[in-house]
Amino acid sequence: EIVLTQSPATLSLSPGDRATLSCRASQSVTSSSLAWYQQKSGQAPRLLIYDASNRATGIPDRFSGSGSGTDFTLTISRLEPEDFAVYYCQQYGNSPRTFGQGTNVEIK
Amino acid sequence: QVQLVESGGGVVQPGRSLRLSCAASGFTFSSYGMHWVRQAPGKGLEWVAVISFDGSNKYYIDSVKGRFTISRDNSKNTLFLQMNSLRAEDTAVYYCAKDKQGFTYQFESWGQGTLVTVSS
Repeated sequence: EIVLTQSPATLSLSPGDRATLSCRASQSVTSSSLAWYQQKSGQAPRLLIYDASNRATGIPDRFSGSGSGTDFTLTISRLEPEDFAVYYCQQYGNSPRTFGQGTNVEIK
Repeated sequence: QVQLVESGGGVVQPGRSLRLSCAASGFTFSSYGMHWVRQAPGKGLEWVAVISFDGSNKYYIDSVKGRFTISRDNSKNTLFLQMNSLRAEDTAVYYCAKDKQGFTYQFESWGQGTLVTVSS
């Protein structure tokens, strides 16, 4: 099973700041099969990024994903008030498909 | 637009059964793989099960194999999760999720979730 470790656990930033979230896999993720999801409090998750770097439909371009192999990054170029949430990475290239434990982006 | 509405959650004693439903609309249900993903209170996300567009292929996480059964009724645009022999560790919000494209395990759309609490 691929274990995904997200860091930091909590990121305290202000609106307008740049956010950089890390997701590290315990072994190489097949074909960059990695996604990022956003979950706001009390809501269902939302797909942001798939195949490591492709934005899902309707996702603003301030969200970008990068990486391959075992190291992946989600960058939010300029935080908007609605971006404060928990972010999860997920690998879907290997069975079982697994999620990271999440990074909480909170208002500083 | 895509809409997924789960129902059937509740409080159940350990060892008992529960059946979850997910009513789908806004897309051609019979063309997509569908998943159940759960989230224990205050915890992260865990994929549970998937069913192919026509119901011919089903896969489960090891911890629910032999206890949970995923199924679908394409004539009624509805996804199901039959949960038997429930355990305390099955307590979670259960989300149904639409696959992005067939059977990719990318969760493109999600329902609002239904809470299952296993407790005596």
